[in-house]
Amino acid sequence: TQLLEQSPQFLSIQEGENLTVYCNSSSVFSSLQWYRQEPGEGPVLLVTVVTGGEVKKLKRLTFQFGDARKDSSLHITAAQPGDTGLYLCAKASGSARQLTFGSGTQLTVLP
Amino acid sequence: GAGVSQSPSNKVTEKGKDVELRCDPISGHTALYWYRQSLGQGLEFLIYFQGNSAPDKSGLPSDRFSAERTGGSVSTLTIQRTQQEDSAVYLCASSPPGLAGVGELFFGEGSRLTVL
Repeated sequence: TQLLEQSPQFLSIQEGENLTVYCNSSSVFSSLQWYRQEPGEGPVLLVTVVTGGEVKKLKRLTFQFGDARKDSSLHITAAQPGDTGLYLCAKASGSARQLTFGSGTQLTVLP
Repeated sequence: GAGVSQSPSNKVTEKGKDVELRCDPISGHTALYWYRQSLGQGLEFLIYFQGNSAPDKSGLPSDRFSAERTGGSVSTLTIQRTQQEDSAVYLCASSPPGLAGVGELFFGEGSRLTVL
């Protein structure tokens, strides 16, 4: 099993603070996706990264793909209560079209 | 509706009973996935269908689990002789045809299964 570890598992912060969550793999992946899931809903795609060292920005969210393509991070600037949710990373390996998901980071942003 | 539709949204059953969960993917999407999610946890891959190809069943946890996809559209996940450890949210996702690699997965809201 190719593990995909996310940290921290839980994170509770005040509105306006910055935070970073991490996604690490024991093996190289061809692409990595970040999803956000709210209670009672399915996950929704935030971004896909495919190139080592790639950085993508989505408003206050910054996604980085490690140079060795074995890790990724998500940084949120000035967090808002609407950012609350379960953040999941998911990797594809080789030619497989299935995604392996991490265990997620549960983020709570308090007003 | 344009999204992935799953039914039932909630199912409570007794240990040993069989259950069927249904997924209606987005029209035109050729790939269909089933995942299982325990409370607050990540997603566990179960099975993947792609067009007319043989499904990837490598994630099914036991032979009590099976799935089929009729006519390349609707899929049914069947759990026979349910056990308490089968309690979870079962998520279905579909993905449009595309180039090599994994595209965006569009998820339904899930079917919450509780086995008493």
